[in-house]
Amino acid sequence: NAGVTQTPKFQVLKTGQSMTLQCAQDMNHEYMSWYRQDPGMGLRLIHYSVGAGITDQGEVPNGYNVSRSTTEDFPLRLLSAAPSQTSVYFCASSSSRGLAGPYEQYFGPGTRLTVT
Amino acid sequence: RKEVEQDPGPFNVPEGATVAFNCTYSNSASQSFFWYRQDCRKEPKLLMSVYSSGNEDGRFTAQLNRASQYISLLIRDSKLSDSATYLCVVNMRSSNTGKLIFGQGTTLQVKP
Repeated sequence: NAGVTQTPKFQVLKTGQSMTLQCAQDMNHEYMSWYRQDPGMGLRLIHYSVGAGITDQGEVPNGYNVSRSTTEDFPLRLLSAAPSQTSVYFCASSSSRGLAGPYEQYFGPGTRLTVT
Repeated sequence: RKEVEQDPGPFNVPEGATVAFNCTYSNSASQSFFWYRQDCRKEPKLLMSVYSSGNEDGRFTAQLNRASQYISLLIRDSKLSDSATYLCVVNMRSSNTGKLIFGQGTTLQVKP
């Protein structure tokens, strides 16, 4: 099992550009999520999905879109990059336990994004 | 008030010391709790889950106090390799699905 994979590992964008961060998992996990991590702020939830075709917003969803067309993939789209989106982005997946929410999460290695 | 709060530290301790971290959470309906470990510039990895009254795994003990809404992590006989950031994570109930909310992390530096 590759676990959770993310691409690219590093990316530099200019303000206003758009791009998609890719995330894939091969553990057949229902629950997937995207976080951003900034110094002194910890990990903040951007969007999450409890299964294919179902997504919901986290704490900081503005400026980001997600879709979940398959169980395996959960891409994160930056619509118009801004310097405030400079961060490290982590994708995570876990098996779900229904109403009680996700089990422990497995993280990808992260994407380091710089917006100039 | 943040939903999950931790003392950011850093905690600087000598090898062999016992160190404890606390974490408070605001949502009394929270159902499950975790401690993750994150090394510098790496992804977080699960250290321990904390269910019911707490649990122990080798040198690590996690405890939950629902009445006071906090969880703790105790590390005994600290090793140099324990140096990392420890993240408190709480499952918040929202619209019949759970969201994992992370604290900002507590940094531990174990010195020889």
